[in-house]
Amino acid sequence: DAKTTQPNSMESNEEEPVHLPCNHSTISGTDYIHWYRQLPSQGPEYVIHGLTSNVNNRMASLAIAEDRKSSTLILHRATLRDAAVYYCILRDVRSSNTGKLIFGQGTTLQVKP
Amino acid sequence: GAVVSQHPSWVICKSGTSVKIECRSLDFQATTMFWYRQFPKQSLMLMATSNEGSKATYEQGVEKDKFLINHASLTLSTLTVTSAHPEDSSFYICSAGTGAGILNQPQHFGDGTRLSIL
Repeated sequence: DAKTTQPNSMESNEEEPVHLPCNHSTISGTDYIHWYRQLPSQGPEYVIHGLTSNVNNRMASLAIAEDRKSSTLILHRATLRDAAVYYCILRDVRSSNTGKLIFGQGTTLQVKP
Repeated sequence: GAVVSQHPSWVICKSGTSVKIECRSLDFQATTMFWYRQFPKQSLMLMATSNEGSKATYEQGVEKDKFLINHASLTLSTLTVTSAHPEDSSFYICSAGTGAGILNQPQHFGDGTRLSIL
């Protein structure tokens, strides 16, 4: 599985935008970029995913670099409830793959009131 | 949205006891389920992949005789920690997917089971 690199931690102020970076320089053409987040004492929660084009949903936006070697998760207005560990994961969609997710260390986001 | 229910949410038991954890997909059929373990301040570690009606595939270093996985139906997978010891104390999390043919779709996670062995 291709690996991702994320900063260990980031801080943000409440109601300000947050840009969480992820590097994946060895990404292959069959890898989707997935983002999950984990709040304390809970299971991970799906946030967003994409392949090549930028994606938007009610939770966040995903900006993917043209060469796909990096991506950025954008939370448009951080709230205290967004404080969590954010994981950027590559998921190979080839039929030989089971679809399992391999979690790295993620980025711990702190949101200040 | 798709919901995965995990039960129990926490369990405390004596050393040597076997503990069963259930993972259910409530509103969709899950041909594939995954089991993870997470120690405090660490990331999730994949333990095994279970496919409905077949044997589970364990990740390297995970003892299959210690962690028994059964995926007997499209909505239920169970993880049994046999003869549990204090070092097995951890946060166990399951997730479910709709199968190998739809791998670009999200996985859905349960809320986890906190296991404490005394």
